[in-house]
Amino acid sequence: QLQLQESGPGLVKPSETLSLTCTVSGGSISSSSYYWGWIRQPPGKGLEWIGSSYYSGSTYYNPSLKSRLTISVDTSKNQFSLKLSSVTAADTAVYYCARSHPVYSSGWYVGRVDYWGQGTLVTVSS
Amino acid sequence: QSALTQPASVSGSPGQSITISCTGTSSDVGGYNYVSWYQQHPGKAPKLMIYDVSNRPSGVSNRFSGSKSGNTASLTISGLQAEDEADYYCSSYTIGSTLGVFGGGTKLTVL
Repeated sequence: QLQLQESGPGLVKPSETLSLTCTVSGGSISSSSYYWGWIRQPPGKGLEWIGSSYYSGSTYYNPSLKSRLTISVDTSKNQFSLKLSSVTAADTAVYYCARSHPVYSSGWYVGRVDYWGQGTLVTVSS
Repeated sequence: QSALTQPASVSGSPGQSITISCTGTSSDVGGYNYVSWYQQHPGKAPKLMIYDVSNRPSGVSNRFSGSKSGNTASLTISGLQAEDEADYYCSSYTIGSTLGVFGGGTKLTVL
């Protein structure tokens, strides 16, 4: 059974960099069939895609976060990571790592998310 | 990309059927059959309930069904049970965005 587990600091100071890692177990991150990404949910609010990556390193970022965002994949550790710089209180959220099934239509789409991590709350505060 | 439009809340009594709508445009819901629905209980990660408009993943109850008409997708839950009380989110492919778009979410209350 595939499992995803987020890890990283739960508290980040304003203007600093938020760093999270997702460890994948029960399956290989190098599969050609999936994208690996991050979704966040501010307290009491809805879901927002942060970005996604293919195992080869191709990345797709939310345009509103692109200038601050880096998503990378480490196939040797079966992990992928998120770095979001210059954080503010608006970045306070539960961060989920996720596996999705990409499809091609008028362009690539990350597709449905069938596996999620349990989520980790990251609070931005001094 | 604008979020898909969902009602903020719906409610129903045990045993009844309810439908949650998800309205977009011809650039997303109306133009492609890549609508998914997720169920989220408080404090838990979302769970995939429906994908590609009307397909159910293995293990999801057949009380959950999806459909689409024009620019609006719908999630129907029949034989409502207390455990169905949760937030529900739709998502769809949208032209020009690899990440697609989510709906704002609907809180289902089982009376």
